[in-house]
Amino acid sequence: KAGVTQTPRYLIKTRGQQVTLSCSPISGHRSVSWYQQTPGQGLQFLFEYFSETQRNKGNFPGRFSGRQFSNSRSEMNVSTLELGDSALYLCASSQGTGETEAFFGQGTRLTVV
Amino acid sequence: AQSVTQLGSHVSVSEGALVLLRCNYSSSVPPYLFWYVQYPNQGLQLLLKYTSAATLVKGINGFEAEFKKSETSFHLTKPSAHMSDAAEYFCAVTTGANNLFFGTGTRLTVIP
Repeated sequence: KAGVTQTPRYLIKTRGQQVTLSCSPISGHRSVSWYQQTPGQGLQFLFEYFSETQRNKGNFPGRFSGRQFSNSRSEMNVSTLELGDSALYLCASSQGTGETEAFFGQGTRLTVV
Repeated sequence: AQSVTQLGSHVSVSEGALVLLRCNYSSSVPPYLFWYVQYPNQGLQLLLKYTSAATLVKGINGFEAEFKKSETSFHLTKPSAHMSDAAEYFCAVTTGANNLFFGTGTRLTVIP
């Protein structure tokens, strides 16, 4: 069974640009969540999509957005990049209930210069 | 609102010694609790989870954790540390909304 796949693994972008990250969940999983990991703020929840609908949202500005497709694949978009957006972005997939295990991808390392 | 506090950002133990990583949670409703491990440049791997079935939870790689409601704790233990246990460990809580609230992490160093 294939795991959670995130692409690309590494990205370097310039301030002001936008970026799109992709996450392919485990087959059969309908929930995809996104997290930002930085040394200063740790792991923070961005948002969760379930059956193509945003079900939960963390406390991030509107520059951070996402979507989920009918095959459960998800994309995350960050517009008008800032230096502080440099982080490891992790995607997690699960069946969709809180007590079930969330499987994490290896992450996308975004560097904003 | 839910949150977790991990005491000790860095813990060092000798190989073969007991590993104890501390986690205290705050939740207004019965929580689900998790311990994850992260190796450098990797994602998170689940070690174990508490979902109200049993207070003593056994996980992978010899780790276990005990849910103590009276102490609002969910400490992670392993009787004998191995060099391969060196990593960062995260405690997390959710109340079923499928969004995890993570602690700040504890970096475990194993001394040969």
